[in-house]
Amino acid sequence: TQLLEQSPQFLSIQEGENLTVYCNSSSVFSSLQWYRQEPGEGPVLLVTVVTGGEVKKLKRLTFQFGDARKDSSLHITAAQPGDTGLYLCAGVGSGGSNYKLTFGKGTLLTVNP
Amino acid sequence: GAVVSQHPSRVICKSGTSVKIECRSLDFQATTMFWYRQFPKQSLMLMATSNEGSKATYEQGVEKDKFLINHASLTLSTLTVTSAHPEDSSFYICSAQGTDDQPQHFGDGTRLSIL
Repeated sequence: TQLLEQSPQFLSIQEGENLTVYCNSSSVFSSLQWYRQEPGEGPVLLVTVVTGGEVKKLKRLTFQFGDARKDSSLHITAAQPGDTGLYLCAGVGSGGSNYKLTFGKGTLLTVNP
Repeated sequence: GAVVSQHPSRVICKSGTSVKIECRSLDFQATTMFWYRQFPKQSLMLMATSNEGSKATYEQGVEKDKFLINHASLTLSTLTVTSAHPEDSSFYICSAQGTDDQPQHFGDGTRLSIL
């Protein structure tokens, strides 16, 4: 069974602070995705990382994929209250399916004004 | 972009009632649809994968007779929670995928509350 461990599970910070969320896997996925979910809504895809060592930036968000393609991190610079939400990493490709997703447990981020 | 519509967004009903949730891909044909369940402040747990015209594949521990899935067309899948009980209360989310190499597109979820 492929597992994704996310840390921290909960994070409460002040506006303007930086933070990093980690996602670690016991095995290799074909790619890894990061989602953000707000209460009462479905998850929204932020980024997909495919190549080991890859770094992608989305405004104040920086995503890294480990060289061995088993871990990833999400770094947010100067967090804002609008960044509040549940951040989920998901491994792509498992159980014989090219696109089956395995989700981590998520990081619930609260950014206080 | 690809839009997935889920209906209803919220349902409250009495114990013993069967509830049907619809998942529609509005602007693309979905070869595969996925159904997830999410408890408060927790992650998404895959319940089943359905392909158009064939039986759904259920994840370990998910009762197929309890959660009936029908994927009768390339734009519609339904999840029916039969004889729902309070422990079935949860947030149910569907996603749709065009082809195997395309990403999943998620609906906005259905909040099911069983009294």
